[in-house]
Parts: sequence; C-alpha cells; structure tokens
Amino acid sequence: AQRVTQPEKLLSVFKGAPVELKCNYSYSGSPELFWYVQYSRQRLQLLLRHISRESIKGFTADLNKGETSFHLKKPFAQEEDSAMYYCALRDYNTDKLIFGTGTRLQVFP
Amino acid sequence: NAGVTQTPKFRILKIGQSMTLQCTQDMNHNYMYWYRQDPGMGLKLIYYSVGAGITDKGEVPNGYNVSRSTTEDFPLRLELAAPSQTSVYFCASIETGVEDQPQHFGDGTRLSIL
Repeated sequence: AQRVTQPEKLLSVFKGAPVELKCNYSYSGSPELFWYVQYSRQRLQLLLRHISRESIKGFTADLNKGETSFHLKKPFAQEEDSAMYYCALRDYNTDKLIFGTGTRLQVFP
Repeated sequence: NAGVTQTPKFRILKIGQSMTLQCTQDMNHNYMYWYRQDPGMGLKLIYYSVGAGITDKGEVPNGYNVSRSTTEDFPLRLELAAPSQTSVYFCASIETGVEDQPQHFGDGTRLSIL
C-alpha cells in the first residue's frame, strides 16, 4: 500500500544547527516525491520536489530508493524555517498526493 | 493571478446544519481536489475531479458531496454537519498532462462543528 511516514511530530533545534526531517515511503513503482511547507497561518506550499533536484531556501532532499527515504536537510537552520513540513508522494494512477502526518520544526534563537 | 481561492476562511456550524465550502481556480486546471487536515493526521483526500462533470471519491468521502459544473469551481457540501467534520479543509488543483507539476493549494477553510 502507498504510504508516507514522517516519524517525528516535532523537531526542535537552535539557530545555526543542522536539520534533517525524515520521510520514508512505501510505493509500488517509481515514486515522485515532494516536500510541502506550511508557515503559521499561511497556505500549504511546495518547497521542493525530487525530480528537480533543486535547493530551495537552503533545503535539499535526496531520494534514496534503497532505503525508500526522502529526508529533508538543511545545514544551518534559521528562525524563519519554523513551520510544519509535509512529505508527499504522488500516486500516478489518480494524480493525488499522499501526505505524511507532518513534522513541526521549531528553530530557537 | 489569484490561483486557488477558498471561501470562507473560518466557519462555525451547529450539529446538523449544512453548508458549502467554495473553491475556485483561475488557472484552467483540469484536476481539482478536496482534502481535510486533522491535527497529527496529515492530509486526507475527500473527493477529486478530473474535469467538469466528473467527480470521484477519495479516502474519506462520507458526509460530503461535491459537484463540478465548470472547470473553475469545485464546491464541497456538508449536508448534516457532525463534530467529526471539525477540520481544516484545503482545495487544490493541478494541470495534468504537464510534466512535474505540483498541486496548487488554497489557503484553507477552518471549520468547527459545535
């Protein structure tokens, strides 16, 4: 069954510390994975997608098919990174996104 | 370019009342979706539509109805509101057929059933 797992509900770090938000997936096929971010009182918005292999706001994520993971990383966290982060998997049959439960990142000054 | 617009932003309903959550997009997207976001549960798909006149159930359709009479609009109807429907509702759209396109989300509607 298709599933996205984000094991951490809350991740707290100090400014300047490295951050890794974990995401594991289960999908029968070639996955398409995304990270979405929701800042306080704002809409859910796309942060990055594995196909583009891009870096947005200093965040990167590498798809590891062997470990079925798509962890989100940033070497030096900033206070403005505090938000909810959702990992998502696209189901090609329906084009719907399957979301993980989200991880709240808190970056303290 | 407004993108995906949801109204209202907030609403409180009494048990048994009905209401319609509005969603409209101005990007001429084919596919539209309704999700609900419960605390600690991530997003769950309620209904989706692949085009005008076509709708399909998602993971949690019970208690909801939708219609898609135009490409732009995809309203979500609650006929008999129940406390279990207290949630934040997100509408999204995507232009399928275009490679590597993400879903565009509205700002959400926070609904409380008391």
